[in-house]
Amino acid sequence: SQTIHQWPATLVQPVGSPLSLECTVEGTSNPNLYWYRQAAGRGLQLLFYSVGIGQISSEVPQNLSASRPQDRQFILSSKKLLLSDSGFYLCAWNQLSGEAFFGQGTRLTVV
Amino acid sequence: EDQVTQSPEALRLQEGESSSLNCSYTVSGLRGLFWYRQDPGKGPEFLFTLYSAGEEKEKERLKATLTKKESFLHITAPKPEDSATYLCAVQESNFMNRDDKIIFGKGTRLHILP
Repeated sequence: SQTIHQWPATLVQPVGSPLSLECTVEGTSNPNLYWYRQAAGRGLQLLFYSVGIGQISSEVPQNLSASRPQDRQFILSSKKLLLSDSGFYLCAWNQLSGEAFFGQGTRLTVV
Repeated sequence: EDQVTQSPEALRLQEGESSSLNCSYTVSGLRGLFWYRQDPGKGPEFLFTLYSAGEEKEKERLKATLTKKESFLHITAPKPEDSATYLCAVQESNFMNRDDKIIFGKGTRLHILP
């Protein structure tokens, strides 16, 4: 069966510090991978998605970037965090036509 | 303009009081519509996928239906444990390129009072 791992679960970082959130999927090949951000009481905002290694589509201009160095690994990064980067970050995967499955999320607080 | 709009934003029901949540979408070609349940501090949990108008799916007290422009999540005789945020999402059909992104609505916060 397929599983998705996302870490860390919580993170407190100072303004201006770098960020690296990692997501890995097991039990499937060539998945679509997604990074979403959810502000308090809001829906899921799509940040990046990837249909293959090295293929990244950015949905929202911002202080973040994403990379897919391996088929089942998706990384969300920032060189310098802003206060506005605080939120709940979710990684997800799916196959070509189908429902997405989510990790448990990372609660990021920038102080 | 939002491609996926959910209503109401929040809904409070008494235990046993049935109701429906709405999800309207504006994508030109629908590949799939998805319903999720999200508990506080957790990732969304998949409930249903609907592919074509007229399709219905059921799971316990929940039933999802789909028309050409909207979907409904019907909840029958809800219990307090059904309290959660319910999210709707769509995947657009795009034959020009492999554009598989899934777009979410803002969700409906459902609270069932005992």
